Amino acid sequence: EVQLVETGGGLIQPGGSLRLSCAASGFIVSTNYMSWVRQTPGKGLEWVSIIYSGGSAYYADSVNGRVTISRDISKNTVYLQMKSLRAEDTAIYYCARGKDPTYFDFWGQGTLVTVSS
Amino acid sequence: EIVMTQTPATLSVSPGERATLSCRASQSVSSNLAWYQHKPGQAPRLLFYGASIRAAGIPARFSGSGSGTEFTLTISSLQSEDLAIYYCQQYNNWPRGLTFGGGTKVEIK
Repeated sequence: EVQLVETGGGLIQPGGSLRLSCAASGFIVSTNYMSWVRQTPGKGLEWVSIIYSGGSAYYADSVNGRVTISRDISKNTVYLQMKSLRAEDTAIYYCARGKDPTYFDFWGQGTLVTVSS
Repeated sequence: EIVMTQTPATLSVSPGERATLSCRASQSVSSNLAWYQHKPGQAPRLLFYGASIRAAGIPARFSGSGSGTEFTLTISSLQSEDLAIYYCQQYNNWPRGLTFGGGTKVEIK
């Protein structure tokens, strides 16, 4: 059974750092396109980042330079390292799989990140 | 950035009736459009990609259509389990970004 489980969310102060994890089961992350998508109250769903099967990564302009996507093949897990967090980064962060880099055929249930002092 | 606009914001439909959801792109996205269903407390689920290609396991009462700037998601006979927010997403100018619509909430009348 395909499953994605996100962890690592929480309350973090502005300017802080956080690492989100996405543990996958039922498939191999390194042979798929893996993305992070966030849902904010104000802007709805927003694509954040993707890592290709070959390891290339892309980022949304809104987070470029502040987040890094990576993966651990041995743990079949994808990560999103976030730094210099802002209030507008407050969102539910979803991990999503794609057979194609452009849409998402399986999603996790998300982890909530709250940036507030 | 391509802006995706979904209408209406909320749609109330009686069980068994047809629900028609619209998604408009600020510029042509060809057929590079996906639809997702997001039920409360659950992970979003892919319904369609390529505007009209049904994803695995999606019931036949769901259909997707359109191209260019105008797209439609139709639920031919609404079931109670279809209560959800539905999102469209364009991917025409990848890797220059992907954008989602604001969603349509489908309520059971």
